[in-house]
Amino acid sequence: GEEVAQTPKHLVRGEGQKAKLYCAPIKGHSYVFWYQQVLKNEFKFLISFQNENVFDETGMPKERFSAKCLPNSPCSLEIQATKLEDSAVYFCASSQSGSTGENSPLHFGNGTRLTVT
Amino acid sequence: KQEVTQIPAALSVPEGENLVLNCSFTDSAIYNLQWFRQDPGKGLTSLLLIQSSQREQTSGRLNASLDKSSGRSTLYIAASQPGDSATYLCAVRPWSNYQLIWGAGTKLIIKP
Repeated sequence: GEEVAQTPKHLVRGEGQKAKLYCAPIKGHSYVFWYQQVLKNEFKFLISFQNENVFDETGMPKERFSAKCLPNSPCSLEIQATKLEDSAVYFCASSQSGSTGENSPLHFGNGTRLTVT
Repeated sequence: KQEVTQIPAALSVPEGENLVLNCSFTDSAIYNLQWFRQDPGKGLTSLLLIQSSQREQTSGRLNASLDKSSGRSTLYIAASQPGDSATYLCAVRPWSNYQLIWGAGTKLIIKP
């Protein structure tokens, strides 16, 4: 598609429950990025993929967070045993290229608002 | 450590005015700088991307400039309209990776 599609739009989970978020990047984009927006405008990088391969996962709290981008499927971000501080808006973005030497703007989805109660 | 600052945090102007939003960064070794707008409850819309070798980019009523030596970028909006009301964010990309460093944004309100 021509837009980054994220589902669901809203997700409510009790503390300790699992949360799974989905992202369909723009067709033809090889790179997918996940960001977490906790405060109003504070974006935290989580992980990026080049096709189905992890490109950079230095922002991921690996104990409870995991992500996948499998061929012919939406990318996913999963949080096991959610905590109150996981409440945030999770944004997915895609670009044609993520490698040094090329300038490709990031295109963002509308985000998934996760509320952990 | 790269830090990105946007001033002012909020701005309210009458419709029709030209205005400038500011973005400053502490490390001039950037790969590119991107301006986004974020509407309430929605995602980010990419407005302009300036490569490190460029001085400015234009799209319609928007013009973004980049001065790496002084660590500054500006977003100029001409003939502002109520539909321009949104939060505007700038983000810089370092050379080493794609972990964008974000400013806190400027909330812009255009009064009819």
